[in-house]
Amino acid sequence: GQNIDQPTEMTATEGAIVQINCTYQTSGFNGLFWYQQHAGEAPTFLSYNVLDGLEEKGRFSSFLSRSKGYSYLLLKELQMKDSASYLCAVRDPRAAGNKLTFGGGTRVLVKP
Amino acid sequence: DGGITQSPKYLFRKEGQNVTLSCEQNLNHDAMYWYRQDPGQGLRLIYYSQIVNDFQKGDIAEGYSVSREKKESFPLTVTSAQKNPTAFYLCASSPQTSGRAGDTQYFGPGTRLTVL
Repeated sequence: GQNIDQPTEMTATEGAIVQINCTYQTSGFNGLFWYQQHAGEAPTFLSYNVLDGLEEKGRFSSFLSRSKGYSYLLLKELQMKDSASYLCAVRDPRAAGNKLTFGGGTRVLVKP
Repeated sequence: DGGITQSPKYLFRKEGQNVTLSCEQNLNHDAMYWYRQDPGQGLRLIYYSQIVNDFQKGDIAEGYSVSREKKESFPLTVTSAQKNPTAFYLCASSPQTSGRAGDTQYFGPGTRLTVL
């Protein structure tokens, strides 16, 4: 089975840093994705990790530890436009196709 | 412009009626997916298709049906058997069916269905 956990909601101040954790217990693993979703809109791809370590993309970084079943998304220099939900998703190599299982999402509220 | 389109953006239906949601992509992607999202929750997979004329049930397929007659199109029908159909429906596509590293899913803008 697949189980992916994320905090429901986080609040942070503009200009600060926020770390969103994701833990997963899955029957297989072939990569972890982070998506950003603004209210009422489609998710957009942020990052992908398949090997242990940190991937950095501008203000956003994502970390993976496969042995711990753990990932985090780090948002630096927060801006008001970063207020959104952040979805963690795991790909199972044993599932047909490029099938992803999503966590419940973490809603981040950035305050001035 | 390449992308995924879903129509309509908002849809209202009376209880007991079937309704079909449209999803079209011109990205030449092999795989297409339908997800349901309820308020404050993540995405749950309804159906997916790896190739034309073939599709598989996802985690919550009951009360839904799909077809894949063309590579570009993957319509979803919400039938009267779906007990709680009011939700935000998202269609996605992916360039690879084998799960090659780094292939992400690209999402359409979604259709918000309200059953009255």
